[in-house]
Amino acid sequence: DAKTTQPTSMDCAEGRAANLPCNHSTISGNEYVYWYRQIHSQGPQYIIHGLKNNETNEMASLIITEDRKSSTLILPHATLRDTAVYYCIKRSGSARQLTFGSGTQLTVLP
Amino acid sequence: SQTIHQWPATLVQPVGSPLSLECTVEGTSNPNLYWYRQAAGRGLQLLFYSVGIGQISSEVPQNLSASRPQDRQFILSSKKLLLSDSGFYLCACGAGGASGGDTQYFGPGTRLTVL
Repeated sequence: DAKTTQPTSMDCAEGRAANLPCNHSTISGNEYVYWYRQIHSQGPQYIIHGLKNNETNEMASLIITEDRKSSTLILPHATLRDTAVYYCIKRSGSARQLTFGSGTQLTVLP
Repeated sequence: SQTIHQWPATLVQPVGSPLSLECTVEGTSNPNLYWYRQAAGRGLQLLFYSVGIGQISSEVPQNLSASRPQDRQFILSSKKLLLSDSGFYLCACGAGGASGGDTQYFGPGTRLTVL
């Protein structure tokens, strides 16, 4: 079961939108796409998840391609506090384990 | 929304000593509770989960045990710590129910160093 693929690192200017891509080309029909982030030495923070449709909440938007093989997490107005490692994971509707890959280190620059 | 408390935040213990880490949850009832370990460069490892009081499922055979004496309390223990038990221990909480796939919310974690 291949994991997701994310860029190792990205920079974003403060106040601009941060677009974090994720490839999950082997995703199954019953697998959701979840996004978490982790600031150094803190517990992971849930951001958003989706199955097929695009999703939006107070933190971010999740855009999933029609074939579901990739997705993009959008932080509309990045702040310095958004600097963290962002993890994209795929997870079936019945799975307990969350499996984090290497994630993307997002650095928001002033 | 739920709030997850873990203590202590950091802990340094000698090899062979006992361990007790506590997790408590506020703002929800009958949650699913999880213990994970995050070791450097190894990602998250699910250790135990619980769907109710006294119900513990172990995912990995090891030197650790878990208990759930109350609905919103989850305890991770060891009788004798090993060097390999060092890591960042995370408690997570999900919506109740016997099925998996619940969105999990994490506590702040306990950094354990075994010397």
